[in-house]
Amino acid sequence: LAKTTQPISMDSYEGQEVNITCSHNNIATNDYITWYQQFPSQGPRFIIQGYKTKVTNEVASLFIPADRKSSTLSLPRVSLSDTAVYYCLVGGGSNDYKLSFGAGTTVTVRA
Amino acid sequence: GAVVSQHPSWVICKSGTSVKIECRSLDFQATTMFWYRQFPKQSLMLMATSNEGSKATYEQGVEKDKFLINHASLTLSTLTVTSAHPEDSSFYICSAREELAGAYEQYFGPGTRLTVT
Repeated sequence: LAKTTQPISMDSYEGQEVNITCSHNNIATNDYITWYQQFPSQGPRFIIQGYKTKVTNEVASLFIPADRKSSTLSLPRVSLSDTAVYYCLVGGGSNDYKLSFGAGTTVTVRA
Repeated sequence: GAVVSQHPSWVICKSGTSVKIECRSLDFQATTMFWYRQFPKQSLMLMATSNEGSKATYEQGVEKDKFLINHASLTLSTLTVTSAHPEDSSFYICSAREELAGAYEQYFGPGTRLTVT
């Protein structure tokens, strides 16, 4: 399973853009990059998934460079309710479907 | 997105008893489900992979005789914590895998808080 490295924590203010970068140097060809959000005492919630280049949905954007050794989750105009732990996971391809969670990034949004 | 449910959402049991937790995929079929455990202030730890119609695959260090997993149908997996002890108190989370256009997405349940007294 490809190992991921993320910052332990990030602080932001309401209305700002938050960018979380995840390193995954040994990502395999079949691996996808998936980000989850978790609030206390809840299961992780899927945010976005990508394989290469840029992916955007209604809540976030995911930027993946050509070498795919890192990725950046971008949360536009965060609010207090975006305070949570964000996990970057690599895997999920047909040959490696187990997702292993790293430490995650605790994002704290302040008023 | 797809929905995964867990039952119960929380349970308190006495030491030495067994507890069963159910995980259901509500609007899709899941041949593979996963069980995780999460202690306070820590990340999720994968315990086992549950395969429909076959034996579960346990991660290293997880006792298969203590954490019994049954995946009897394409929408239901159960985790039974046998002879529970206070150190088994934790937040148990399941997930179900759905294949979409060659990629796989995992959807997580809301979790079950187990407290062993």
